[in-house]
Amino acid sequence: AQSVSQHNHHVILSEAASLELGCNYSYGGTVNLFWYVQYPGQHLQLLLKYFSGDPLVKGIKGFEAEFIKSKFSFNLRKPSVQWSDTAEYFCAVNEPSGGSYIPTFGRGTSLIVHP
Amino acid sequence: DGGITQSPKYLFRKEGQNVTLSCEQNLNHDAMYWYRQDPGQGLRLIYYSQIVNDFQKGDIAEGYSVSREKKESFPLTVTSAQKNPTAFYLCASSIGGTASYGYTFGSGTRLTVV
Repeated sequence: AQSVSQHNHHVILSEAASLELGCNYSYGGTVNLFWYVQYPGQHLQLLLKYFSGDPLVKGIKGFEAEFIKSKFSFNLRKPSVQWSDTAEYFCAVNEPSGGSYIPTFGRGTSLIVHP
Repeated sequence: DGGITQSPKYLFRKEGQNVTLSCEQNLNHDAMYWYRQDPGQGLRLIYYSQIVNDFQKGDIAEGYSVSREKKESFPLTVTSAQKNPTAFYLCASSIGGTASYGYTFGSGTRLTVV
């Protein structure tokens, strides 16, 4: 079965600091990749996704992620975080399996941004 | 507005009882999913369904059952066989299994066994 690893479980930053959250997956074939965000008390929302094409993907709220196939990685970045970015972030991978697609999520990274 | 409705928001169950969590979507999505979210463990897939009348086990299906009789509905039953049912349960859907537009999530049901 697919595994998705998020290396940082808890990240604490000050406003204006740069952010990079790691995500690695294990499946060696073609995958679809996602980053989701869950603000306190809210639904999970899609930040960005990668299916094909340019490996540098831009999402909402100034986030971007880079797909590096050779490293099985899809790290999330933001050059300057804001207090409102405090949330939990989940990396997800969608792999084909027997005619279906299996979505697997990482354990999540809790980000706290101090004003 | 289109979306996913999960009900109830909070649910209390006595040990030994079965309980059913509702998930309804009006997005005309083909695929639906149930996840369990526990602190520090992220989202773990319980069951998923790519089309009506068909569903597959996820990573932690033991003690759970589902049905998919209608496209818009994917109820999850937590049976008495589930040893640790207290958790936050999330339902999601997507346009087809490839989820080319991503997954849409409901607001969740928090189940507590008392």
